[in-house]
Amino acid sequence: EPEVTQTPSHQVTQMGQEVILRCVPISNHLYFYWYRQILGQKVEFLVSFYNNEISEKSEIFDDQFSVERPDGSNFTLKIRSTKLEDSAMYFCASSERSKGTDTQYFGPGTRLTVL
Amino acid sequence: ILNVEQSPQSLHVQEGDSTNFTCSFPSSNFYALHWYRWETAKSPEALFVMTLNGDEKKKGRISATLNTKEGYSYLYIKGSQPEDSATYLCAFGGAGANNLFFGTGTRLTVIP
Repeated sequence: EPEVTQTPSHQVTQMGQEVILRCVPISNHLYFYWYRQILGQKVEFLVSFYNNEISEKSEIFDDQFSVERPDGSNFTLKIRSTKLEDSAMYFCASSERSKGTDTQYFGPGTRLTVL
Repeated sequence: ILNVEQSPQSLHVQEGDSTNFTCSFPSSNFYALHWYRWETAKSPEALFVMTLNGDEKKKGRISATLNTKEGYSYLYIKGSQPEDSATYLCAFGGAGANNLFFGTGTRLTVIP
């Protein structure tokens, strides 16, 4: 069964460093998402992406964050200058369409630890 | 920010027991309610997407109901098994948006 994959599974970085989290969505899906979960808190929406542009973003997704689909398969989240509070589990998801009734399929997450 | 709440936060049941838990969400601008099952170190697994008031969905021993007028959904597990141990997440999809708002989850532990 097709699945969303994410790499790395765990990333440790120093405060102020740039990190890139990578995702490979399901191949025939057109809509891509990033969510995050800070330990002990709810899963929060960051950004959705379609047709090579951001379609929606939350207030968390500030200028420090960017997303890109550099080729036909990868979808990346970049954090330019990491802060301690960016430590979280980051989930990528994809769906066939953007309707709220469509299932969003999630990857296993990347745990980011900022020291 | 939309408030999606789940209760209880955690639950321990004996193998063979049936159990249920609740997701409450805003009743206005409702579009869809999603349920996920999430085992540690794995991807959250989609269980159901529910859209219609009164909807009931079933997948094996797991079923869910939806009341959009009062803003709640119940998830039921019949005859719990140890492999049902996981965190169950609900997520609200609002009209006009494609992002999901998640609850805190209910962590279920089934004791053999």
